[in-house]
Amino acid sequence: DIQMTQSPTSLSASVGDRVTITCRASQRISNYVNWYQQKPGKAPKLLIYGASSLQSGVPSRFSGNGSGTDFSLTITSLQPEDFASYTCQQSYSNPLTFGGGTKVEIK
Amino acid sequence: QLQLQASGSGLVKPSQTLSLTCAVSGGSISSGGYSWTWIRQPPGKGLEWIGYVFHSGSIYYNSSLKSRVTISVDRSKNQFSLEVSSVTAADAAVYYCARIRTSNFYYSMDVWGKGTTVTVSS
Repeated sequence: DIQMTQSPTSLSASVGDRVTITCRASQRISNYVNWYQQKPGKAPKLLIYGASSLQSGVPSRFSGNGSGTDFSLTITSLQPEDFASYTCQQSYSNPLTFGGGTKVEIK
Repeated sequence: QLQLQASGSGLVKPSQTLSLTCAVSGGSISSGGYSWTWIRQPPGKGLEWIGYVFHSGSIYYNSSLKSRVTISVDRSKNQFSLEVSSVTAADAAVYYCARIRTSNFYYSMDVWGKGTTVTVSS
């Protein structure tokens, strides 16, 4: 199984900050990475697919990058509604696996 | 607008079978380019993929659960279902159903149901 290791597990940031979350795969997976946002008590929401493609309706302050084993999700100018957890997912091979998540909290 | 709604047994006794159904509305479960999946999230933990079924009927399971899991599709009712047998406390979780967009090969989960909580207790 491909392991997805996210870092950091949590971070504190202020409104307007630039935030970057990273995800490392245990083997090369090309660009088969998707990113999700999840708020407490809610289902995850797709933000980025294919490592860097923005899902329809998602604000452009979200962006994804990476290929191979190292991937990142960046939020430029953090907004109040962005305080949530973020999770990466690989779709290179079954079983589909997720990272452990990163919680973005208000500083 | 496509919507998914999971329902089923919220309280299951240890060793019994958990049964959930995901009703799909606003679109057909037989549409090409998509598959339908179950994912779970134990309290305070991360997401775990359980399995998915293609519009063609092919089904893939997470090997960690494969011996206990069955996913099925009822096209006449536009819904798909999950059964997990011989449940233990480790199966307690919020269970989500979701649509996977397979048309671009990135297998991203683009539409999610709200999730249903399953408790395992005698």
